[in-house]
Amino acid sequence: GENVEQHPSTLSVQEGDSAVIKCTYSDSASNYFPWYKQELGKRPQLIIDIRSNVGEKKDQRIAVTLNKTAKHFSLHITETQPEDSAVYFCAAGRGNTDKLIFGTGTRLQVFP
Amino acid sequence: NAGVTQTPKFQVLKTGQSMTLQCAQDMNHNSMYWYRQDPGMGLRLIYYSASEGTTDKGEVPNGYNVSRLNKREFSLRLESAAPSQTSVYFCASSGGTGASYEQYFGPGTRLTVT
Repeated sequence: GENVEQHPSTLSVQEGDSAVIKCTYSDSASNYFPWYKQELGKRPQLIIDIRSNVGEKKDQRIAVTLNKTAKHFSLHITETQPEDSAVYFCAAGRGNTDKLIFGTGTRLQVFP
Repeated sequence: NAGVTQTPKFQVLKTGQSMTLQCAQDMNHNSMYWYRQDPGMGLRLIYYSASEGTTDKGEVPNGYNVSRLNKREFSLRLESAAPSQTSVYFCASSGGTGASYEQYFGPGTRLTVT
């Protein structure tokens, strides 16, 4: 079946350092790749997404890259801050109104 | 706009009891989803509805039923609860006008089955 693998499961960085989270997907028809952030006890919220017609997208300190040939995509957070501490989920899907398959999450801790 | 709302927020059931989790959205979205979240397992799709009047199974549908009551509401029913269904349940919606594919999540229901 469709599958999304996410690594690492936990990541600890010093404030100001960069953090990278990687995901691979199995469904070659996937064309939409969002990243969600979930703070403790809260709902997941979209932080950035990318569609298959672009290879990279950036929004301030956050960027996502996509390699469709290799079927993997990554989240890059630069200049990390303590408020970036949360669980991050990648997902893959076929677009509007369709289902998403989520990765198992990465717990990011940013130490001051 | 309230976005996506869910009731109840918390629920404790005994094994074998039944209950319905309610979800509603006011964003005129076409699609709605039910996920469960367990430690270390991420978000797993239980059922989804791509449009009013249709429902489809997700990754983990066993033990659950759903009803897309109208465009706004999508309910999840546990007919005979089991301890393995202890989890946090999230409803989400997507697919309004425009080009956004974003799924918006409700606040979640924390369910414990003893």
